[in-house]
Amino acid sequence: AQSVAQPEDQVNVAEGNPLTVKCTYSVSGNPYLFWYVQYPNRGLQFLLKYITGDNLVKGSYGFEAEFNKSQTSFHLKKPSALVSDSALYFCAVRGQISSGSARQLTFGSGTQLTVLP
Amino acid sequence: DARVTQTPRDKVTEMGQEVTMRCQPILGHNTVFWYRQTMMQGLELLAYFRNRAPLDDSGMPKDRFSAEMPDATLATLKIQPSEPRDSAVYFCASGLSSRAYNEQFFGPGTRLTVL
Repeated sequence: AQSVAQPEDQVNVAEGNPLTVKCTYSVSGNPYLFWYVQYPNRGLQFLLKYITGDNLVKGSYGFEAEFNKSQTSFHLKKPSALVSDSALYFCAVRGQISSGSARQLTFGSGTQLTVLP
Repeated sequence: DARVTQTPRDKVTEMGQEVTMRCQPILGHNTVFWYRQTMMQGLELLAYFRNRAPLDDSGMPKDRFSAEMPDATLATLKIQPSEPRDSAVYFCASGLSSRAYNEQFFGPGTRLTVL
């Protein structure tokens, strides 16, 4: 079975500082990895994804994520946080070769990011 | 700007009543997903359709929930009878199944409150 862990329920960072939201995964074979963001009273929005190749993936709004196969991690990063980045962030995984329920995305529990002015 | 639309955005009902939530996927998308989000359980997949056929509804309580796609532009999620524990935000998402790494596009959700 595939799974995602987001070890931090809450991350606080000062505006202008770098931010990291952590994600580790478990899947059979190679993974497809995703980050989504949810603003209050909104649906999830796609930020970025890892398919293959370069371990550093760049996405929307200045976010990037680093795939680390040996550590089975896919941490979300941004060099300089904005107050407007405050939202709920979800990591998700799907195996490249999958069957049954593993055909679907498995989401983590979410990390609430608060950027303080 | 193509978007997934959901109606209603908010629904308050009494226990025992029937609730129907509707979703219009992005035109051309052939996969539709229903999710439920609560504080306690997070984001749960309820049902999944591809080319209007239900492929996986293992996450859905079968005795009271049902999901259908009458046509390619409409997906419905019905709860009958509703119970207070069904209170949650229900999201619909759509996508393309041509690649396993294609992202899903989420609607704004229906906030359901069952009294």
